[in-house]
Amino acid sequence: GQQVMQIPQYQHVQEGEDFTTYCNSSTTLSNIQWYKQRPGGHPVFLIQLVKSGEVKKQKRLTFQFGEAKKNSSLHITATQTTDVGTYFCAKGSNYKLTFGKGTLLTVNP
Amino acid sequence: ETGVTQSPTHLIKTRGQQVTLRCSSQSGHNTVSWYQQALGQGPQFIFQYYREEENGRGNFPPRFSGLQFPNYSSELNVNALELDDSALYLCASSPSLSRSVGDTEAFFGQGTRLTVV
Repeated sequence: GQQVMQIPQYQHVQEGEDFTTYCNSSTTLSNIQWYKQRPGGHPVFLIQLVKSGEVKKQKRLTFQFGEAKKNSSLHITATQTTDVGTYFCAKGSNYKLTFGKGTLLTVNP
Repeated sequence: ETGVTQSPTHLIKTRGQQVTLRCSSQSGHNTVSWYQQALGQGPQFIFQYYREEENGRGNFPPRFSGLQFPNYSSELNVNALELDDSALYLCASSPSLSRSVGDTEAFFGQGTRLTVV
């Protein structure tokens, strides 16, 4: 099936460092959503991107949607220990969300 | 919290048994989807219900079945459990104005952790 590929699989940073995760698709996406899942928790919606080249910010988080609508990124500035978790991108298509495998972020205080 | 509740939170079943998982959607949401999340993986779409009818299905065998009730609560039933069915089962509801949950955010419940032994 049509997948979304996410890299890196794991990322360990020192508190205060920046973090970026990337999401790529071989086909054009109608939209891309980002979710965060804390250890032992459930996915929590962060944002949805719809427009080509769209950039959205939520405090220290910056989300981008590529011009060709085939890739997206999530950048966290100055990570904090509360940022720990797995970040998933998911493409919305018709009636379902197709998730990437996620990027597990760990932060060393 | 999203207002989506699932029960039970944890469950242990024996291979070959049947299981029913339950989900109560957030108030005002008429679309519910079920996902299976194996350890270390992203959630995989099982199926979706919209106004009590199945609105789409992922690559899961027929022994995975579901129901949606008039109050928009939902059940996931799995027959003839296999060891590989061990996973976190997530219910997600959406305030869809259309039939397409992919166009709106999904509100996930806390999940049911199923272990098949």
